[in-house]
Amino acid sequence: AQSVTQPDIHITVSEGASLELRCNYSYGATPYLFWYVQSPGQGLQLLLKYFSGDTLVQGIKGFEAEFKRSQSSFNLRKPSVHWSDAAEYFCAVGAGSGYSTLTFGKGTMLLVSP
Amino acid sequence: DAGITQSPRHKVTETGTPVTLRCHQTENHRYMYWYRQDPGHGLRLIHYSYGVKDTDKGEVSDGYSVSRSKTEDFLLTLESATSSQTSVYFCAISESKGSSGSYNEQFFGPGTRLTVL
Repeated sequence: AQSVTQPDIHITVSEGASLELRCNYSYGATPYLFWYVQSPGQGLQLLLKYFSGDTLVQGIKGFEAEFKRSQSSFNLRKPSVHWSDAAEYFCAVGAGSGYSTLTFGKGTMLLVSP
Repeated sequence: DAGITQSPRHKVTETGTPVTLRCHQTENHRYMYWYRQDPGHGLRLIHYSYGVKDTDKGEVSDGYSVSRSKTEDFLLTLESATSSQTSVYFCAISESKGSSGSYNEQFFGPGTRLTVL
């Protein structure tokens, strides 16, 4: 079965600094990969997704993620963080063609300091 | 935003009472999901549906049942609520299975906060 690890429970970044959130997955073949964001008291919103093609994918709100097969990683990045980016971020994996469900990581809480 | 509503949005109930949460969608998507979210656990799948009257268990299905009699509605029932079921419950929908050209991205409702005393 597939699994997702987000090693960092909390991360604090200064406003204007760059951000990288880590995500490692476990799955034998090429996975479908997603990043979601959850603001306090809200549902989850899709930031970006990857299945094939260019390993660097662009998402909404200035986020991007890079798929690295050799490292089984799909890290989320943003060059300059804004205070409104403070939220919880979830990485998720769908296991190959024909999957019906996603497996989510436990999330990383991003705090933005002034 | 995807047309997903959940009701009620907040509920407080007592141990041993039955509880039903409703998810309603206006997108005509085939797949619907129920998750629970707890601190330190992320989102865990309870049950999902791949069509009217077609459902399957997820990772944490014990103590929960579901029903889907119409495409637009997916009900989650706690037959006899326990304090361990205090959680935030999210419904999600998806148009299709993951396949070449189809990501099966899921769209989430606003959540229901359930407290079992």
